[in-house]
Amino acid sequence: AQSVSQHNHHVILSEAASLELGCNYSYGGTVNLFWYVQYPGQHLQLLLKYFSGDPLVKGIKGFEAEFIKSKFSFNLRKPSVQWSDTAEYFCAVNANNQGGKLIFGQGTELSVKP
Amino acid sequence: DTEVTQTPKHLVMGMTNKKSLKCEQHMGHRAMYWYKQKAKKPPELMFVYSYEKLSINESVPSRFSPECPNSSLLNLHLHALQPEDSALYLCASSPGGGGTYEQYFGPGTRLTVT
Repeated sequence: AQSVSQHNHHVILSEAASLELGCNYSYGGTVNLFWYVQYPGQHLQLLLKYFSGDPLVKGIKGFEAEFIKSKFSFNLRKPSVQWSDTAEYFCAVNANNQGGKLIFGQGTELSVKP
Repeated sequence: DTEVTQTPKHLVMGMTNKKSLKCEQHMGHRAMYWYKQKAKKPPELMFVYSYEKLSINESVPSRFSPECPNSSLLNLHLHALQPEDSALYLCASSPGGGGTYEQYFGPGTRLTVT
């Protein structure tokens, strides 16, 4: 069965610090990869997605992620975080043959101190 | 219009009540989803409708009954719920039902079962 692991449960950073959130998945076939963000009191929003092609994908709000197939990883990065990036971040995976079934990681809570 | 709307925003119901959650999208998407999210946890898939047909049921108890009257609407009928069913219920939609589409999420209905 597919699974998604996010290694950091809670990350605390100061503004302007760099961010990297880890995400690993277990599935041997072709996968599609997503990062979603959930700001306090708001709904899930798509940050970025990877389907195929360039493994370095850029998303909204200055976020990017790199797909490393050999490591089954899809880590999220941002060079300089802002207080407004405080939110819950979810990595998610679905497989082409799973009919749209999206599997989420446990989430990483990011707190950015002003 | 890139929104998924859900009503009501909040719902409190007793264990013997019957209620329904509603979800609507006008993006022309052909797949719609119900997820359940407990506090500080990732969303868990409950049901998937693809082209108005139920394509995935994640072994959800029969006290939850989904309905897709047309391609824009998705309902979740609730009956004889338990207190542990209290959660945020999220609806999502995607252009198609396969794995190669991102899902757009609504704001959710916060359900409390007393």
